[in-house]
Amino acid sequence: QKEVEQNSGPLSVPEGAIASLNCTYSDRGSQSFFWYRQYSGKSPELIMSIYSNGDKEDGRFTAQLNKASQYVSLLIRDSQPSDSATYLCAVNRGGAQKLVFGQGTRLTINP
Amino acid sequence: DTAVSQTPKYLVTQMGNDKSIKCEQNLGHDTMYWYKQDSKKFLKIMFSYNNKELIINETVPNRFSPKSPDKAHLNLHINSLELGDSAVYFCASSHRTANYGYTFGSGTRLTVV
Repeated sequence: QKEVEQNSGPLSVPEGAIASLNCTYSDRGSQSFFWYRQYSGKSPELIMSIYSNGDKEDGRFTAQLNKASQYVSLLIRDSQPSDSATYLCAVNRGGAQKLVFGQGTRLTINP
Repeated sequence: DTAVSQTPKYLVTQMGNDKSIKCEQNLGHDTMYWYKQDSKKFLKIMFSYNNKELIINETVPNRFSPKSPDKAHLNLHINSLELGDSAVYFCASSHRTANYGYTFGSGTRLTVV
């Protein structure tokens, strides 16, 4: 079992709709969770971090964490073509000195 | 004013050569990392240094040798390059632990021919 798993996609969503990206992790001791966005040919960029169960909203982005189910998700409301990118889920076990990444989900927003 | 800068951005070299990639951060972070991203976009950690001390050394061939002269710099030297080393190498930095996420450099695309 991989430490962090994502559906690699591609996920195709019409412009203006809600894009939903999912991630599961295997280590119950994980304490911090991140979503990175990576445009083609560019470096990953941190867009959301979440540390406790529930929802965290930032503009059009909402991160959701359920530690009992070992599940993290990212919702993008009112999707725009500029949201088309690969989204990487990353997890840190408390006190660990590294992030473990999922394989990324490629998202395409269709105008 | 780049936060994490890597050089070079592109590197094309022949099998068997030795090459280096340099990384510098001006964020005042204590910890720096090297990650390798393969053609399927999977990011895998290679090394981590905290204030010049090696703290993570994943299963990486010993042809790869990191060096951190100070906490703002982390370089990666690769000996006897092989075709399978072709990938994008990312440098990143963070505060003492990874609990607040990383800032990534722009990456170095290494192509071994």
